Amino acid sequence: SQQGEEDPQALSIQEGENATMNCSYKTSINNLQWYRQNSGRGLVHLILIRSNEREKHSGRLRVTLDTSKKSSSLLITASRAADTASYFCATEGNTPLVFGKGTRLSVIA
Amino acid sequence: EAQVTQNPRYLITVTGKKLTVTCSQNMNHEYMSWYRQDPGLGLRQIYYSMNVEVTDKGDVPEGYKVSRKEKRNFPLILESPSPNQTSLYFCASSFRGTTSYEQYFGPGTRLTVT
Repeated sequence: SQQGEEDPQALSIQEGENATMNCSYKTSINNLQWYRQNSGRGLVHLILIRSNEREKHSGRLRVTLDTSKKSSSLLITASRAADTASYFCATEGNTPLVFGKGTRLSVIA
Repeated sequence: EAQVTQNPRYLITVTGKKLTVTCSQNMNHEYMSWYRQDPGLGLRQIYYSMNVEVTDKGDVPEGYKVSRKEKRNFPLILESPSPNQTSLYFCASSFRGTTSYEQYFGPGTRLTVT
């Protein structure tokens, strides 16, 4: 399976700190996407990075992709209490989008 | 407003009683998909559809059926629900082309089978 595996499973930080989440996967991919989920609600797309890209930014988000290590990281800078949510990576290769189990981020005010 | 809608949002039913969860999108997306989300297991894909009349199994298709007769609708059918199908279900849709696009998710349907 090419399912991504997020690390850590849970992360708790103070407001204003940076949060880093990692995703590892097993097979070659066309792209990798990050999604956010507030408790019990639908997922919301954050950012997509293609296999030929190494880094991408969107506001306070920075995503990196290392295809040689089959890994990606999501950095949220200057975190806010409103960033508290679960974050999922999703990979697409020969099969449609496959999601990992997620990282639960808690930002304490 | 661009959106994916699901109905019902909450459902409690009994073992064996057939049910349908509807999913509709208004963005003219080709691709639609159903996921279930369970604690500790993340999102697992049940079925997906690349376009009208084209459906494929995902990772956990057992006990489920789908159909794609119209582009906007992708209902999920549980012919004989069992307690292990108690879960949070999400429908999602996206454009499909030579590259992938972001998926738009519905609000979820929380199903309890007793």
